[in-house]
Amino acid sequence: QKEVEQNSGPLSVPEGAIASLNCTYSDRGSQSFFWYRQYSGKSPELIMSIYSNGDKEDGRFTAQLNKASQYVSLLIRDSQPSDSATYLCAVNSRDDKIIFGKGTRLHILP
Amino acid sequence: KAGVTQTPRYLIKTRGQQVTLSCSPISGHRSVSWYQQTPGQGLQFLFEYFSETQRNKGNFPGRFSGRQFSNSRSEMNVSTLELGDSALYLCASEKRQGSSYEQYFGPGTRLTVT
Repeated sequence: QKEVEQNSGPLSVPEGAIASLNCTYSDRGSQSFFWYRQYSGKSPELIMSIYSNGDKEDGRFTAQLNKASQYVSLLIRDSQPSDSATYLCAVNSRDDKIIFGKGTRLHILP
Repeated sequence: KAGVTQTPRYLIKTRGQQVTLSCSPISGHRSVSWYQQTPGQGLQFLFEYFSETQRNKGNFPGRFSGRQFSNSRSEMNVSTLELGDSALYLCASEKRQGSSYEQYFGPGTRLTVT
């Protein structure tokens, strides 16, 4: 079983709609969860971190964590073409190593 | 505020050689982590250094090593290069303060092993 799983996509979303990105993880002892955005040819950029169950909002981004179900999601409201990128989910495992998923490619359709 | 710098940006080496990559973190950040990114395996954690001490290590062979200096600059070394070591090597500058967590990646070093 892969430690952090994401659908590779591409996920195509019309401009202005809500993009929903999902991630599941296997280590129940994980405590910290992160979402990164990576544009083609660029380095990853940390956009959200979440540590407790529930929702965390930052501008157009909302991270959702459900530890019982071992999933993390990222919602992007009012999607813009500039949101087109690969989104990486990462989990800080119980041995304090950050494990990344392979990412979901998001394409916002103008 | 200056960002994370990595040198060199591009490198071509042959099998069996060794390579040293450098990372200068953001001023005030004492933690540096290194990652390898390949199309097949994605982004994989190599090691983390804090105050000149290796705090954590990923599942890579002993050919991969690193160190951190008193000014927080970090180097990683790969000895006896293999074709499979061709990748983008990223370092991340990190700062934890209470519940606050900052992390910024450098631009990476693209290593090609021929």
